[in-house]
Amino acid sequence: NAGVTQTPKFRILKIGQSMTLQCTQDMNHNYMYWYRQDPGMGLKLIYYSVGAGITDKGEVPNGYNVSRSTTEDFPLRLELAAPSQTSVYFCASSTTLQAGSPLHFGNGTRLTVT
Amino acid sequence: TQLLEQSPQFLSIQEGENLTVYCNSSSVFSSLQWYRQEPGEGPVLLVTVVTGGEVKKLKRLTFQFGDARKDSSLHITAAQPGDTGLYLCAAPPGRSNYQLIWGAGTKLIIKP
Repeated sequence: NAGVTQTPKFRILKIGQSMTLQCTQDMNHNYMYWYRQDPGMGLKLIYYSVGAGITDKGEVPNGYNVSRSTTEDFPLRLELAAPSQTSVYFCASSTTLQAGSPLHFGNGTRLTVT
Repeated sequence: TQLLEQSPQFLSIQEGENLTVYCNSSSVFSSLQWYRQEPGEGPVLLVTVVTGGEVKKLKRLTFQFGDARKDSSLHITAAQPGDTGLYLCAAPPGRSNYQLIWGAGTKLIIKP
C-alpha cells in the first residue's frame, strides 16, 4: 500500500533557484492538498485540488504554484526560492472535500533555502 | 482569527504513567480530529469527534470532545514508548468546507 508518495525527501536550494516537489497517490482520491509545517506552528494549507484540472489557493499560496493534470499527481512548484520557504512540505489526499474527512499524508519533503 | 491552542507544548514522562494533553479554542467547531506524527513521517489520523461530550477510545487512548465543542482532550493510560510522537489537533473553521486549522502540537516523549 503506497498511499501518498512524496519526492525528494530532502533538498537544499540556493536563493532564487526553482524546484518541483512531487506528490502522487494511488488511492484514487479526488482531493489533494499541499501543506507546510514550520516548528511551533500548525500546518498551513498552500494549495488544494478537487480533481484533475482544478486547483485553488489555500491560506499561504504566495511563492508557489501547482498543477493537477491527473488524479494521481499534484506537483508543487517553487519558482524563486526564498529563505522564508524553508520548511517541511506535506502532500495529502482525501476521499471528500468535507472538513472532518480523514487526510492521508505523505512523509514530507524537508526543504532548506540558503 | 480562529486558533487551536495545544498544551502542553512538550511532555516527557516515564513508561507506565498516565497523561492528558489538551486542545482548546474560543470557537465552536462542527468536528475535531486528532493526528499523531512520528519523526520523518506525515501525520496519521487517530480519531474524529463530532458530538459535544463525545468520548472515543482507541486502546489506551481516550479522546473527549467538550460539551460546547470548543475543546478536546486526549488521555493516555499507562503510556508506552510507542506512544512517542507529535500529537496534533485540527478542526474546520465555520466558514470553510475544506480548510482545517491546526494546533501547533504536543511533543510527547515516553521514556522506557
